[in-house]
Amino acid sequence: DGGITQSPKYLFRKEGQNVTLSCEQNLNHDAMYWYRQDPGQGLRLIYYSQIVNDFQKGDIAEGYSVSREKKESFPLTVTSAQKNPTAFYLCASSIGRSYNSPLHFGNGTRLTVT
Amino acid sequence: AQSVTQLGSHVSVSEGALVLLRCNYSSSVPPYLFWYVQYPNQGLQLLLKYTSAATLVKGINGFEAEFKKSETSFHLTKPSAHMSDAAEYFCAVSLYNQGGKLIFGQGTELSVKP
Repeated sequence: DGGITQSPKYLFRKEGQNVTLSCEQNLNHDAMYWYRQDPGQGLRLIYYSQIVNDFQKGDIAEGYSVSREKKESFPLTVTSAQKNPTAFYLCASSIGRSYNSPLHFGNGTRLTVT
Repeated sequence: AQSVTQLGSHVSVSEGALVLLRCNYSSSVPPYLFWYVQYPNQGLQLLLKYTSAATLVKGINGFEAEFKKSETSFHLTKPSAHMSDAAEYFCAVSLYNQGGKLIFGQGTELSVKP
């Protein structure tokens, strides 16, 4: 079955370390997204990519970086510059631009930084 | 700027009772509107979407939503709640001229009492 795979499900890191979250999709979707979810704040867009080798900052890109070297992969690196990295991170994809194409989500990675 | 507001962060209903989750948006142009559901520690799943074809939209699991332009609302309803409907529900809005970005509401947690 097609879908989005995020790994690992839980991730623990020490403060000051960079960490990379994996996101792979086999839906053949062009667009991919990273969202951060905090209790009571809904989902906030970190980065998105509508085509290979191109990506744009979302609303809260500071302290994060991404790459899009392959259509099916969109890894997110949480750098030590991110002041509050502990959160639930969701990766999503869509056929085209999400303004009329629904997003398909992975099951998320819960990152805890101590 | 476009935004979406979900009234009530927590809603509790009895099994078999009507479910009503409220969503209001602000936009000067016709929006695309979505409702997503999230079960604990999982990603989001599309319930339904409005893309101007019909004002009453039917989704999965017996949910439906009605687009009311005069009230700038897109409330989600289900005639009879089931225990399995307990989850968090997100309303989201996007505009064709906003680069494909979805703006999510803060979410409403639905509890269903036996």
